[in-house]
Amino acid sequence: SQKIEQNSEALNIQEGKTATLTCNYTNYSPAYLQWYRQDPGRGPVFLLLIRENEKEKRKERLKVTFDTTLKQSLFHITASQPADSATYLCALRGYSGGGADGLTFGKGTHLIIQP
Amino acid sequence: DGGITQSPKYLFRKEGQNVTLSCEQNLNHDAMYWYRQDPGQGLRLIYYSQIVNDFQKGDIAEGYSVSREKKESFPLTVTSAQKNPTAFYLCASGVTGLGGEAFFGQGTRLTVV
Repeated sequence: SQKIEQNSEALNIQEGKTATLTCNYTNYSPAYLQWYRQDPGRGPVFLLLIRENEKEKRKERLKVTFDTTLKQSLFHITASQPADSATYLCALRGYSGGGADGLTFGKGTHLIIQP
Repeated sequence: DGGITQSPKYLFRKEGQNVTLSCEQNLNHDAMYWYRQDPGQGLRLIYYSQIVNDFQKGDIAEGYSVSREKKESFPLTVTSAQKNPTAFYLCASGVTGLGGEAFFGQGTRLTVV
């Protein structure tokens, strides 16, 4: 069955350091992968999308890599700040009968940036 | 303002009752989605719709029903057949096709009392 795995334990990072989150998937052939941020009691907010033919994508302090051979994406936050503390979700969309399926999400990694 | 609106924010239901959660968007998106989120479980897909008058089951559709009579609206009914309905429900919309990001509402927290 299709599976998306993210670090289930909270990740504690010192302010100013780079936070790196991992997303691994199995039994998928995704055309692209997305990353979202979710704060407690709120809906997720889209951050970045990376396509299968892209190795790396950047947006301000965020960087995403996508290795379709390893079936893995890494999400980096450089110069991390306490305001970056949140749960980060990766998401994939598969194919079904000629159309796109709904987005499937990993369970998310809770990131804590300590001052 | 353009966006996606869920209502109500908090909902209490007695066991054995059906309840309908509202989701409206004015982003002109064709695709709409319903997810359920439980602690430690992440988001699980209940139903999705890519066009008006059409929808597909997600991973956990049992005990739920939806309709898509208008492009802007995708209500979710939690029926009495859903064994464990207490959860945080999230609605999202997006463009069809593989490249579209999802825009989420603020969620409805449903509690069965």
